[in-house]
Amino acid sequence: AQKVTQAQTEISVVEKEDVTLDCVYETRDTTYYLFWYKQPPSGELVFLIRRNSFDEQNEISGRYSWNFQKSTSSFNFTITASQVVDSAVYFCALREFSGSGNTGKLIFGQGTTLQVKP
Amino acid sequence: DVKVTQSSRYLVKRTGEKVFLECVQDMDHENMFWYRQDPGLGLRLIYFSYDVKMKEKGDIPEGYSVSREKKERFSLILESASTNQTSMYLCASAEDRGGEQYFGPGTRLTVT
Repeated sequence: AQKVTQAQTEISVVEKEDVTLDCVYETRDTTYYLFWYKQPPSGELVFLIRRNSFDEQNEISGRYSWNFQKSTSSFNFTITASQVVDSAVYFCALREFSGSGNTGKLIFGQGTTLQVKP
Repeated sequence: DVKVTQSSRYLVKRTGEKVFLECVQDMDHENMFWYRQDPGLGLRLIYFSYDVKMKEKGDIPEGYSVSREKKERFSLILESASTNQTSMYLCASAEDRGGEQYFGPGTRLTVT
């Protein structure tokens, strides 16, 4: 069965520290998509990145980077030089390509609450 | 930029009332979704729609119905609100089923 696990419930760091948010997924599909979303205190989920299962290249966008490793079924997210504005709940999500994935349904992890202190 | 709006940020209703939550997107997306978010349970899919007048049940459709009369609008209906439907409701839209979903700001519903 498909599943996304974010084992870190809460993380607290001091500004300028680097922080990595872990995401481990389970799927039997060979074709799937992985996503990261940010939910600031305002409540709206903000799309950060989408990755398909055939593209294992790491991605960097400013202070954000993502490490996708199929061998360990992980899609980790690193924030470099964290800032107070990074404080939010971060969700990892999986979409399979077949079966229930044809619906576009996203399977979300439980979320990791990141608090960045000044 | 994709814009998804929801009719209310906060809503308080009484048990047994019929409740309508409205969602509108302005990007001509075919796919729209309704989720609810609860502490410890994450986001769970209630219903989705991939075309006008088409709807499919998600993981937790009981107690809910939906309506999609126009492409840009997807409504979630609580036929008879109950206290266990107190939650944050999030609407999303996507251009295609594999694409990223764009979310609205959410409606925090309290049923007393």
